[in-house]
Amino acid sequence: GNSVTQMEGPVTLSEEAFLTINCTYTATGYPSLFWYVQYPGEGLQLLLKATKADDKGSNKGFEATYRKETTSFHLEKGSVQVSDSAVYFCALYNQGGKLIFGQGTELSVKP
Amino acid sequence: NAGVTQTPKFRILKIGQSMTLQCTQDMNHNYMYWYRQDPGMGLKLIYYSVGAGITDKGEVPNGYNVSRSTTEDFPLRLELAAPSQTSVYFCASSYVRMTAYTEAFFGQGTRLTVV
Repeated sequence: GNSVTQMEGPVTLSEEAFLTINCTYTATGYPSLFWYVQYPGEGLQLLLKATKADDKGSNKGFEATYRKETTSFHLEKGSVQVSDSAVYFCALYNQGGKLIFGQGTELSVKP
Repeated sequence: NAGVTQTPKFRILKIGQSMTLQCTQDMNHNYMYWYRQDPGMGLKLIYYSVGAGITDKGEVPNGYNVSRSTTEDFPLRLELAAPSQTSVYFCASSYVRMTAYTEAFFGQGTRLTVV
């Protein structure tokens, strides 16, 4: 079946540090991949997406590349800010209607 | 634009009581979803719907029921509340056509406590 696995959190970084949050997936066919972000007390909102192999999604300084050969979609940012503190979710959509999320990775950025 | 609206925002239920979590969207999205979010556990799909009149089970459907009589509304029903259903519930919607899939839009969530 379809599944998404993320690195466990919490991840604590200093401001301007480099961020990587690992995400790997299991799916049949060619899923679309997403990163969502959840700020405290809010619902999830889309951060970036990629719909086919080798696509790179990017937004607000975050990037992720769809790697079919390693079934991965790791999230990166070159220089994090305190305002990036949130929970980040990797997700996939495969044909059939299900949107499946990973367990989430909490990021805390200290000044 | 209202987007996805969930009501209520908070609710306390006693064991064995029933309630309906309401979800409505005004974006004419064909797909709608219900998730529960337990602390540190991510989002688990309860039920989803690919269009009016069509619903299907997700990962954790036991103890819940849904209906989709209109494109806009996708209520989630808890018939006999149990403490294990204490969670934050999120409704979401998206538009899917052929292989094109747009982002999912989420409501603000309903925090449910069963005591």
